[in-house]
Amino acid sequence: SAVISQKPSRDICQRGTSLTIQCQVDSQVTMMFWYRQQPGQSLTLIATANQGSEATYESGFVIDKFPISRPNLTFSTLTVSNMSPEDSSIYLCSVGRGEGQPQHFGDGTRLSIL
Amino acid sequence: GDSVTQMEGPVTLSEEAFLTINCTYTATGYPSLFWYVQYPGEGLQLLLKATKADDKGSNKGFEATYRKETTSFHLEKGSVQVSDSAVYFCALSDRTGTASKLTFGTGTRLQVTL
Repeated sequence: SAVISQKPSRDICQRGTSLTIQCQVDSQVTMMFWYRQQPGQSLTLIATANQGSEATYESGFVIDKFPISRPNLTFSTLTVSNMSPEDSSIYLCSVGRGEGQPQHFGDGTRLSIL
Repeated sequence: GDSVTQMEGPVTLSEEAFLTINCTYTATGYPSLFWYVQYPGEGLQLLLKATKADDKGSNKGFEATYRKETTSFHLEKGSVQVSDSAVYFCALSDRTGTASKLTFGTGTRLQVTL
């Protein structure tokens, strides 16, 4: 399976600031996804990062709050904008190789907002 | 829409006990089913998968059988170890549509004691 590197692994940020999370994959992949895992909760899909076009956002998530880039088939970024304490979560990227196939996850970015 | 229902935790077992974590699903198509495990402070790891009815996924002593008639994918292990303490997530990937989105259950925390 692909090796997925996320940076940073954790951060503590001030409210009102923005943070960009990077996801690097060691091979080209068709599909990349961004998830949020709030404390003690399951994973919620934020968006599908599409190479060369705008990301596809799930209900409840908007581009102004979570802008996503996908400049090529091995890299994506998620920005958490104008952060508030409610944004304190683990943010995970994952990659998939096709319909019905499993996704593989990075180790996540643990974000705390003060 | 698609949904996954897992038994609530936490589940506390003594080492060498038998483990069952129940998982049932609702999907419009013929999904692929997965179990993921999240060890403390880490990201999600794929534990096992099954892509069609009656398939049995297995890994590290864990097993789960895709039961279409009962829409279930229960996780079992004959003898748990302390190192199995983690949160276990059942998930499905629907084959309909163009994206292999994952729908997760709420997760079940397993604590194994000596």
